[in-house]
Amino acid sequence: DTGVSQDPRHKITKRGQNVTFRCDPISEHNRLYWYRQTLGQGPEFLTYFQNEAQLEKSRLLSDRFSAERPKGSFSTLEIQRTEQGDSAMYLCARSFIESDEQFFGPGTRLTVL
Amino acid sequence: GQQLNQSPQSMFIQEGEDVSMNCTSSSIFNTWLWYKQDPGEGPVLLIALYKAGELTSNGRLTAQFGITRKDSFLNISASIPSDVGIYFCAGRNIITGGGNKLTFGTGTQLKVEL
Repeated sequence: DTGVSQDPRHKITKRGQNVTFRCDPISEHNRLYWYRQTLGQGPEFLTYFQNEAQLEKSRLLSDRFSAERPKGSFSTLEIQRTEQGDSAMYLCARSFIESDEQFFGPGTRLTVL
Repeated sequence: GQQLNQSPQSMFIQEGEDVSMNCTSSSIFNTWLWYKQDPGEGPVLLIALYKAGELTSNGRLTAQFGITRKDSFLNISASIPSDVGIYFCAGRNIITGGGNKLTFGTGTQLKVEL
């Protein structure tokens, strides 16, 4: 148990639809990260939060993507007007502020038809 | 986005054999991490390295932080069937890393023959 749950585990949607994913880390970890992983590749950084503040966003995060962490606990990642290229595993990770060790959730597998 | 280079890309070994894999970067890294990922699951942290030259073990796994700070190595001794999976290195670069953002390698897929 890595202390991170993600919901849903799988999502199939049609192109053009909006989707939202949720990440719930254990409360003691202050930093929360989102990564995207396509088939055959390692995870790529999307964005991260320290408590409720979104401190960094990758250029991979187009304007169709938005992430929130309203109370510094759970986080949501929304993708608007999904495209087939958005098909990937979306991973959430947690860490303490002073630690480089990131612990990942099981991921949400998105398939855009 | 940038990814670290891992070698080999895949390995097919027999149970009981030792395994070695490495990860290289064109940039200096301040932290190296090794993860294992099973199909359909998130990466699981195996070992973290913080100092150049550091050698750290976790059971049958041993990892080293290269002295140039541009590479890292992972060894698995006496492989068993449950070692099957994809192994990823990940690093944090103090110049581009921001708040602990990790850059991941391309992965080494390990298959174990009984």
